[in-house]
Amino acid sequence: EAGVAQSPRYKIIEKRQSVAFWCNPISGHATLYWYQQILGQGPKLLIQFQNNGVVDDSQLPKDRFSAERLKGVDSTLKIQPAKLEDSAVYLCASSFKGIWEQYFGPGTRLTVT
Amino acid sequence: DQQVKQNSPSLSVQEGRISILNCDYTNSMFDYFLWYKKYPAEGPTFLISISSIKDKNEDGRFTVFLNKSAKHLSLHIVPSQPGDSAVYFCAADTGRRALTFGSGTRLQVQP
Repeated sequence: EAGVAQSPRYKIIEKRQSVAFWCNPISGHATLYWYQQILGQGPKLLIQFQNNGVVDDSQLPKDRFSAERLKGVDSTLKIQPAKLEDSAVYLCASSFKGIWEQYFGPGTRLTVT
Repeated sequence: DQQVKQNSPSLSVQEGRISILNCDYTNSMFDYFLWYKKYPAEGPTFLISISSIKDKNEDGRFTVFLNKSAKHLSLHIVPSQPGDSAVYFCAADTGRRALTFGSGTRLQVQP
C-alpha cells in the first residue's frame, strides 16, 4: 500500500516570497491533516479536512496561510508571504474517517532566509 | 499553553533493558492517547494507542500505561533494541480526531 506522498521534500525561499506544498494521501482516506513542526517541538495541527470540507482551521494563520483539498483527494498548502518564523517541517497526514491513527508523509522542510 | 508535555528531551538505555518514556497532560477532555515514533527525515509512524477507558495496552515489546487521576501516561519498551533509537512523541485527542502532540523524547539504545 502506498503511503502519504509529499513534495517537494526541501524548499529554501527568501522572506516575503510565496511557497506551495503538495500532499497525496493514502487511497480511501477521507480525512487529511496539515501539521507544522518547528525544530525541537512536536507537530502542531494547522488544518483538518474531511473529504474536501474544512473541519478545523483554528490554528491556521489565515492572513498568510491557505489550504485546499479539491475533489477530496490531493491537497495543497500555501504560504504567502513567508516569514522567517515559518521555517519548519510541514507534515501531511491522512486517516480513515472516524479512526484515530493517522499516517504521516515524510514532510517538506522549509527554510525561510 | 502546552497541553501535552514530555519533560525528558532525551533518554539513553542499554540494549536489552527497559525504556520508559513519560508524558503528562493537562486537558481532562482528552480521551484517546497515541505514541508515535520518528526517525530522521521521515514522518512520524504510529506505534501504540490507548483509550481513556483502559489503563493498559500491550503490543509485543511495547506497553502503554494510563493513569487518568494523575493525567500521566508512559510507554514501556522491553527489551530495548538499537533499532528503537528514535524520537518518540506522545499525542492526545478529545474525540475530534485532531491530535495534540508533546515535544518528543529522543531515545538512544546503546548496543
